[in-house]
Amino acid sequence: DQQVKQNSPSLSVQEGRISILNCDYTNSMFDYFLWYKKYPAEGPTFLISISSIKDKNEDGRFTVFLNKSAKHLSLHIVPSQPGDSAVYFCAATPGAGSYQLTFGKGTKLSVIP
Amino acid sequence: DTAVSQTPKYLVTQMGNDKSIKCEQNLGHDTMYWYKQDSKKFLKIMFSYNNKELIINETVPNRFSPKSPDKAHLNLHINSLELGDSAVYFCASSQSIRQGALIDTQYFGPGTRLTVL
Repeated sequence: DQQVKQNSPSLSVQEGRISILNCDYTNSMFDYFLWYKKYPAEGPTFLISISSIKDKNEDGRFTVFLNKSAKHLSLHIVPSQPGDSAVYFCAATPGAGSYQLTFGKGTKLSVIP
Repeated sequence: DTAVSQTPKYLVTQMGNDKSIKCEQNLGHDTMYWYKQDSKKFLKIMFSYNNKELIINETVPNRFSPKSPDKAHLNLHINSLELGDSAVYFCASSQSIRQGALIDTQYFGPGTRLTVL
């Protein structure tokens, strides 16, 4: 039972364009969401997060949007750079007081120079 | 200077053997985790320790036993290895979670690729 779904296993984008990575969740108890980025042979690294009290959080070229009614979030990268090529994991948690992250399967982003 | 380190990076072993994976963090965090990334690429939590106490123990065979000698270390011991144990195992750490505080970022180690033959 996948509580966090990333339905696109891969995405290719031209350098300079926008990359949009999508994530859906089914558990209504989730109220804090995170994106992690993973390069080959390395562990995931934290990228950006959003609390359910917000619908948008921005950090430089990275913006995460949350649509609670649709149980959907997305990560926008603008402009995309070749160094952004990695696997992006969406993760969710019931929030404060919880240690438990539930991860999606990941989307492999390839940014083409 | 690596924040979360794991040894070994690669581990190839025969079915039935017992093996350990070590994890150390130098971030001063109170909470440490073990995750398994299987062939389907899902990252699933196995265990979590806070201040050396077990706080998460997901449905994991009891052949897997975590050991936390101190707050900076969380080792994973696996008995009687099976083919299905082949996966990448990630250690992670975070600050303690306090009620009312936002979830703290988890910092991951580089992973240990375990292959059981």
